Amino acid sequence: DTAVSQTPKYLVTQMGNDKSIKCEQNLGHDTMYWYKQDSKKFLKIMFSYNNKELIINETVPNRFSPKSPDKAHLNLHINSLELGDSAVYFCASSQLTGTGGNTIYFGEGSWLTVV
Amino acid sequence: SQQGEEDPQALSIQEGENATMNCSYKTSINNLQWYRQNSGRGLVHLILIRSNEREKHSGRLRVTLDTSKKSSSLLITASRAADTASYFCATGLSGSARQLTFGSGTQLTVLP
Repeated sequence: DTAVSQTPKYLVTQMGNDKSIKCEQNLGHDTMYWYKQDSKKFLKIMFSYNNKELIINETVPNRFSPKSPDKAHLNLHINSLELGDSAVYFCASSQLTGTGGNTIYFGEGSWLTVV
Repeated sequence: SQQGEEDPQALSIQEGENATMNCSYKTSINNLQWYRQNSGRGLVHLILIRSNEREKHSGRLRVTLDTSKKSSSLLITASRAADTASYFCATGLSGSARQLTFGSGTQLTVLP
């Protein structure tokens, strides 16, 4: 049973194109995220949604637009792709506990290559 | 700048040996977590330690936290080839429990 699933796993596209990555979680979590992992494995948060509302928006170009139709889905749309967008994008989810500290559950990643 | 930084960046040991990885961070935290990433896969949560805890165990894993030094260590005892992966620390900041900040990881290679 896949907890956080994202598609596609691999995506090769040309500069200037627009692409989307879809994500769904079946854990009943209230918070979803998009992370970007660069070639040096540094993992940086891009966005966070709580119950369909944007709560974290790091300094990401506005070519990146997240969309959350419901709390189980958080899709990432990227316009006018650039070479520097090549990376692995991870969707994730979590449920904030009353005691503080939330474990994040990651998808398997989407490998985006812009040529 | 990164909140958590792992040290060393890469570690290679023989099967059966212990592996120790360190993490340093800059600001006050609510909790610190360690994650594992196998090659080509997503990150998997290993263990969480809260800021009022000093040590925690889970199977062959032992995590320590020193808030005065703003550092944590992850010890894997009796390592196995299957432990080969990247290990990341992630810090949950005080007042922002939903957001975790990750480092760039330690690549552990366990040789059979």
